[in-house]
Amino acid sequence: EVKLVESGGGLVLPGASLKLSCIVSGFTFSDYWMRWVRQAPGKGLEFIGEIKPDGSKTNYAPSMKGRFTISRDNAKNTLYLQMSSVRSEDTATYYCARSGPLGADYWGQGVMVTVSS
Amino acid sequence: DVVLTQTPVAQPVTLGDQASISCRSSQSLVHSNGNTYLEWYLQKPGQSPQLLIYKVSNRFSGVPDRFIGSGSGSDFTLKISRVEPEDLGVYYCFQATHDPRTFGGGTKLELK
Repeated sequence: EVKLVESGGGLVLPGASLKLSCIVSGFTFSDYWMRWVRQAPGKGLEFIGEIKPDGSKTNYAPSMKGRFTISRDNAKNTLYLQMSSVRSEDTATYYCARSGPLGADYWGQGVMVTVSS
Repeated sequence: DVVLTQTPVAQPVTLGDQASISCRSSQSLVHSNGNTYLEWYLQKPGQSPQLLIYKVSNRFSGVPDRFIGSGSGSDFTLKISRVEPEDLGVYYCFQATHDPRTFGGGTKLELK
């Protein structure tokens, strides 16, 4: 069974850093692109970025580039999202998803990040 | 960036009716390899998004055949025939042809 489980969210102060993790199981992690998507409360889905199977290439939404960094550890079956200089607009549920030419076919349950003083 | 415009924003339906959602792109979504990477997702209340359609018209495994994706270039449609209660939620189109990838704003399918 394919599973993706995000963790690392919570309440964080403006300007701080936070690292989210997504641990996967049930498939060969190193064969797939992986994607991060977020959703602010009551809003639509927003693409954050994605990473190639071997970690050699990443794509980001322009608004995230420079503050957010996606990485992966294929030996640990884990995807990461490093968030820095967070601001209130980063308050959202963050989802990881397995992606590829046939779409993002499996998603995690999401992890909530709240940026507030 | 590619802008995907979904209409309508909300679609009130009666169970058993057909629903239609439009997704228009600010530029062609035909990739240089000839494929068109336009996807549709459904997010049911309180749940993670789920993949319905990839490459315009291909249903993901387990998706009922009442979901039909169509279109080409920059104009795409998702039709849902005979709407059932489990079809209610917010539908999003997504393009994976151009960087950065982008979502449409969403269409809420709700009961009349």
